[in-house]
Amino acid sequence: GESVGLHLPTLSVQEGDNSIINCAYSNSASDYFIWYKQESGKGPQFIIDIRSNMDKRQGQRVTVLLNKTVKHLSLQIAATQPGDSAVYFCAENKIGYSTLTFGKGTMLLVSP
Amino acid sequence: EAQVTQNPRYLITVTGKKLTVTCSQNMNHEYMSWYRQDPGLGLRQIYYSMNVEVTDKGDVPEGYKVSRKEKRNFPLILESPSPNQTSLYFCASSAGANYGYTFGSGTRLTVV
Repeated sequence: GESVGLHLPTLSVQEGDNSIINCAYSNSASDYFIWYKQESGKGPQFIIDIRSNMDKRQGQRVTVLLNKTVKHLSLQIAATQPGDSAVYFCAENKIGYSTLTFGKGTMLLVSP
Repeated sequence: EAQVTQNPRYLITVTGKKLTVTCSQNMNHEYMSWYRQDPGLGLRQIYYSMNVEVTDKGDVPEGYKVSRKEKRNFPLILESPSPNQTSLYFCASSAGANYGYTFGSGTRLTVV
């Protein structure tokens, strides 16, 4: 079937490199942000989140940076592995509301 | 295992034939939501529910119905499917507005 990855911006990296995926969000009132990973044939999987009272949050091999001034979010993946190949989505929400708005996604391709 | 379960995974149907996609979660989550995913358009919210008997329209509700008679189930109903509803559908649940959604594995629907 048709891939959800069609028409997406693509980031190609070598295994072991650090990857940075960027996202511009639209709503200046948004105060909760999430990064999701979607592998082929699967549903989006939660990676990491950050609230607007923070600029940076770290997880295992992943770091999310939030710049509220320019409404920009980034996901950094350290020592990228072939298993990291997927489509990555940022999502924004205003705390207190249940509508999570997704970005269009970025495809990450990791070569061995 | 904590999960969101959707059925069926794949469905091919004809225009106008009513269908229901079921969704169930075992995490006692308050919030549930339906999204559709289309190439180039990303994930768009169809309907959401913040509690039993409470449902609200998302960004693309036309042609869909939902119900939330009990906390764990949130079926998506297409009363008269049309070809433009051919898409990949995801059900998701969340503990609340301050938490990310857990997604099901998806239902690929084709309407001919």
